[in-house]
Amino acid sequence: AQSVTQPDIHITVSEGASLELRCNYSYGATPYLFWYVQSPGQGLQLLLKYFSGDTLVQGIKGFEAEFKRSQSSFNLRKPSVHWSDAAEYFCAVTSGTYKYIFGTGTRLKVLA
Amino acid sequence: EAGVAQSPRYKIIEKRQSVAFWCNPISGHATLYWYQQILGQGPKLLIQFQNNGVVDDSQLPKDRFSAERLKGVDSTLKIQPAKLEDSAVYLCASSHGESEKLFFGSGTQLSVL
Repeated sequence: AQSVTQPDIHITVSEGASLELRCNYSYGATPYLFWYVQSPGQGLQLLLKYFSGDTLVQGIKGFEAEFKRSQSSFNLRKPSVHWSDAAEYFCAVTSGTYKYIFGTGTRLKVLA
Repeated sequence: EAGVAQSPRYKIIEKRQSVAFWCNPISGHATLYWYQQILGQGPKLLIQFQNNGVVDDSQLPKDRFSAERLKGVDSTLKIQPAKLEDSAVYLCASSHGESEKLFFGSGTQLSVL
């Protein structure tokens, strides 16, 4: 079955510390992978996406993600977290047939 | 460009009542999605339109939920009658084409009492 797993429900980091949010997928076809961020009371906003090519993709707000086919992972990273990064982060996958599957999300808390 | 517009922003109803949500996607976006996001969970696709045709409604509870996208632009999602477990945020999203990124509206937060 197709699925996206985000094993960490909550993560707390100090401002200025590095961040890694995990995402693992199970998908029969070649996946297109996305990370979205959702601030409280808002819709989701795209951070970055991977379709093909370079497995390390850069996104907005200083985020990057690395696609590792052998591990079925697409982890999101940021070298130095800012207080404004506190939000919920969703990993998503699709195969080009339009249907997106979202993970359950990771809520990030940033300590001053 | 203008974003995806949704209304109302909040809605409180009693169980067994009816409710409708409206969505206006980004101009030119052929694909429109309705998602249900229950507190603490990721968005779950309810229905997907390509222009005014339904692409996927496999997870839409058709005994109580209905959706339409007349003229391939605006869309409405209706729940009749509502149940307590329908309390959630209903997100509308649109995209230009295949596997393109989704643009989300701010959602409608529904509370069923």
